[in-house]
Amino acid sequence: GDSVTQMEGPVTLSEEAFLTINCTYTATGYPSLFWYVQYPGEGLQLLLKATKADDKGSNKGFEATYRKETTSFHLEKGSVQVSDSAVYFCALRGFGNEKLTFGTGTRLTIIP
Amino acid sequence: SAVISQKPSRDICQRGTSLTIQCQVDSQVTMMFWYRQQPGQSLTLIATANQGSEATYESGFVIDKFPISRPNLTFSTLTVSNMSPEDSSIYLCSVRTGNQPQHFGDGTRLSIL
Repeated sequence: GDSVTQMEGPVTLSEEAFLTINCTYTATGYPSLFWYVQYPGEGLQLLLKATKADDKGSNKGFEATYRKETTSFHLEKGSVQVSDSAVYFCALRGFGNEKLTFGTGTRLTIIP
Repeated sequence: SAVISQKPSRDICQRGTSLTIQCQVDSQVTMMFWYRQQPGQSLTLIATANQGSEATYESGFVIDKFPISRPNLTFSTLTVSNMSPEDSSIYLCSVRTGNQPQHFGDGTRLSIL
């Protein structure tokens, strides 16, 4: 079945550091890929998405590229801020599947 | 994207009681889902709420414990029945229309004493 393997946390970075959170997946066909963010005390917000190979999703300075050859969708940001502190979830929806499959989540803390 | 309102936002309940969580969407949606997020964990799908018919439950979740209603395309309820401390979690409503991304409510934070 479908699965998502996400970088273990927690991750602690200094403000303005470069961020990478790794995400790889297993799925048949061509899934859609997503990054969601959960700020403290809130629900999940869609951060970005990509629906086909080589698509790049971007939002709020975050980027992720759908790499079919490596089955990856790594999240990156060039310069993180304290306000980026949150839990980040990688997820996929398989082609023809109604359900999302989530990774375990990565807790990110940015220190000033 | 759809605006999802979930009530209550949090509650503290006694063991053995039941709580009904409401999810209201500001527009008609195709799919509605209920998730559980245990402390420090990822999301686990409880069930897909089907309009006008019984919900479709995932393995490990049963209707007697988590009855779900969906009377129309904008509203659903999840009841957590006969609660125990192990039911202390965040319960999240999620919706999707067509091939659009799935969106989530802010969740209900439930603690059982």
